[in-house]
Amino acid sequence: QKEVEQNSGPLSVPEGAIASLNCTYSDRVSQSFFWYRQYSGKSPELIMSIYSNGDKEDGRFTAQLNKASQYVSLLIRDSQPSDSATYLCAVTHSGAGSYQLTFGKGTKLSVIP
Amino acid sequence: ETGVTQTPRHLVMGMTNKKSLKCEQHLGHNAMYWYKQSAKKPLELMFVYSLEERVENNSVPSRFSPECPNSSHLFLHLHTLQPEDSALYLCASSQGGATDTQYFGPGTRLTVL
Repeated sequence: QKEVEQNSGPLSVPEGAIASLNCTYSDRVSQSFFWYRQYSGKSPELIMSIYSNGDKEDGRFTAQLNKASQYVSLLIRDSQPSDSATYLCAVTHSGAGSYQLTFGKGTKLSVIP
Repeated sequence: ETGVTQTPRHLVMGMTNKKSLKCEQHLGHNAMYWYKQSAKKPLELMFVYSLEERVENNSVPSRFSPECPNSSHLFLHLHTLQPEDSALYLCASSQGGATDTQYFGPGTRLTVL
């Protein structure tokens, strides 16, 4: 059973602070890792993808991957109220001829003005 | 139309009804997916189609029946559903590779009475 674990939150941070979201996964051979943002009542949208160990930065967002520890994180700098959403961690694994995503339950982030 | 579209956006049906959900992708992708999202549960992969062939049949109840007539269109046929099937049904598409991002449609909010 391939699992992706996230703290469900809610995680509350003040506006302008750094929000840190964490995710662990069980499948050691997972190749690709994604962070999606989902606003209430909307569908998930991609924030970041990361494939190799280390950090990847895109604007206010930084994804960090440590395959040895089976751990991936997302940092959001200068958090804004518009960042308030549920953040889904997703991990690719192969199965029966296709690549599939396993999602965590998501962490609900609330940025307080 | 751009991206991934889904119709209808909202559906209310009785347990004896038969209905279909439609998904269309305008991204030139090779793989399409159906997901179920229930409250407080992770996104659950229901079906995967890659190059129009269903490559994995998850342990989904037979009252859900997928159809993929071509690489751009995906249907989910519903019959004799149960109230616990009420959820957000999301369609996604990708190029099908290990590092390829899945792009989601807006979803169909299904309520079974």
